Amino acid sequence: AQSVAQPEDQVNVAEGNPLTVKCTYSVSGNPYLFWYVQYPNRGLQFLLKYITGDNLVKGSYGFEAEFNKSQTSFHLKKPSALVSDSALYFCAVRVPASGGSYIPTFGRGTSLIVHP
Amino acid sequence: ETGVTQSPTHLIKTRGQQVTLRCSSQSGHNTVSWYQQALGQGPQFIFQYYREEENGRGNFPPRFSGLQFPNYSSELNVNALELDDSALYLCASSLDSGFVGTDTQYFGPGTRLTVL
Repeated sequence: AQSVAQPEDQVNVAEGNPLTVKCTYSVSGNPYLFWYVQYPNRGLQFLLKYITGDNLVKGSYGFEAEFNKSQTSFHLKKPSALVSDSALYFCAVRVPASGGSYIPTFGRGTSLIVHP
Repeated sequence: ETGVTQSPTHLIKTRGQQVTLRCSSQSGHNTVSWYQQALGQGPQFIFQYYREEENGRGNFPPRFSGLQFPNYSSELNVNALELDDSALYLCASSLDSGFVGTDTQYFGPGTRLTVL
């Protein structure tokens, strides 16, 4: 069975400082990894994904993530945090299943709070 | 904002009733997925439809069922509602590229279901 762990329920960072939101995964096979952001009372917005190739993936709003196969991690990063980045962040993993389908699994989410 | 819309926005039902939630996919998308997001949790995959056929299902009982129509809009039906069905129900559409699991999903704002 596949799983995703976001070990921090909440991350606090000062505006202008770098931020990291952690994600580790456990799968059988090669994972496809995703990050989403959710603002209050809204659906999820796609930030970035890793499918194959370069381990460093760049996404929307200045976010990036690094795929580390040996550590089974896919941490989300941003060099300089903005107050407007404050939101709930979800990491997700997919592994293709038989019959051309897949089951996506999401982490529990990390609340990012950026202080002015 | 994505082009995915959901209706209704909010819904209150009583235990044992049945409910139908609706989703209109983003233009050009042929795949729709449904998720249940309980309070304080990450989304849980219910099922996915591709060209009107279910092609992936999470760990949800048969009383959760769905339909996808020729215009790629979709419905989620839940029978015999239970208190634990109270959650935000998210719909996500995507364009299947032929590479299973790599598609980017675009989420709607969700339907908040409360079961009393």
